[in-house]
Amino acid sequence: EAAVTQSPRNKVAVTGGKVTLSCNQTNNHNNMYWYRQDTGHGLRLIHYSYGAGSTEKGDIPDGYKASRPSQENFSLILELATPSQTSVYFCASGDAFWGGNYAEQFFGPGTRLTVL
Amino acid sequence: GDSVTQTEGQVALSEEDFLTIHCNYSASGYPALFWYVQYPGEGPQFLFRASRDKEKGSSRGFEATYDKGTTSFHLRKASVQESDSAVYYCALGYYQGGRALIFGTGTTVSVSP
Repeated sequence: EAAVTQSPRNKVAVTGGKVTLSCNQTNNHNNMYWYRQDTGHGLRLIHYSYGAGSTEKGDIPDGYKASRPSQENFSLILELATPSQTSVYFCASGDAFWGGNYAEQFFGPGTRLTVL
Repeated sequence: GDSVTQTEGQVALSEEDFLTIHCNYSASGYPALFWYVQYPGEGPQFLFRASRDKEKGSSRGFEATYDKGTTSFHLRKASVQESDSAVYYCALGYYQGGRALIFGTGTTVSVSP
């Protein structure tokens, strides 16, 4: 069974502070993703990565940075947190193709971030 | 750009009711289509996929048929249970530049006993 873990599970930050959300996967997947989930918007892609050392911008990258230091780990960094970044953040891993078919993504349990 | 539209934001049902969630997509290529389910306090989890026109995907009593003509992938279940209460996401996926999925806005299904 695929395993994606996230830490912390809950985080309260102050406006202007730095926040780092961490994600670890034990599936040996090449691709990893960061999404945020907001009511009325569903899941929106922030950043993704093809493998260690690579990061790519998703649909809503402004205000976020990402880091992929290894195959297993993918971090999301908010250098200057703002209240508009209050949300639930999900990390996912997956390969684009598996067994000749489009592969699914495996999601972590999420991090609830509140920026005051 | 590519997109997925889920018509229903919330659906309230009683046990044994029939469930339909409408999903329509817009894509320039020939994408795969997915359904994900998210239970309270958890991350989304894969339900099933379909990759070709007229292909039916199914799992746990849920099913949907890929219809390229109407650009749809509607989710159906004949008889829902309280345990089916969750948020359901339709997603569009194809490998273009490495990104894999574009999600709809989700449909919250509440089933009362």
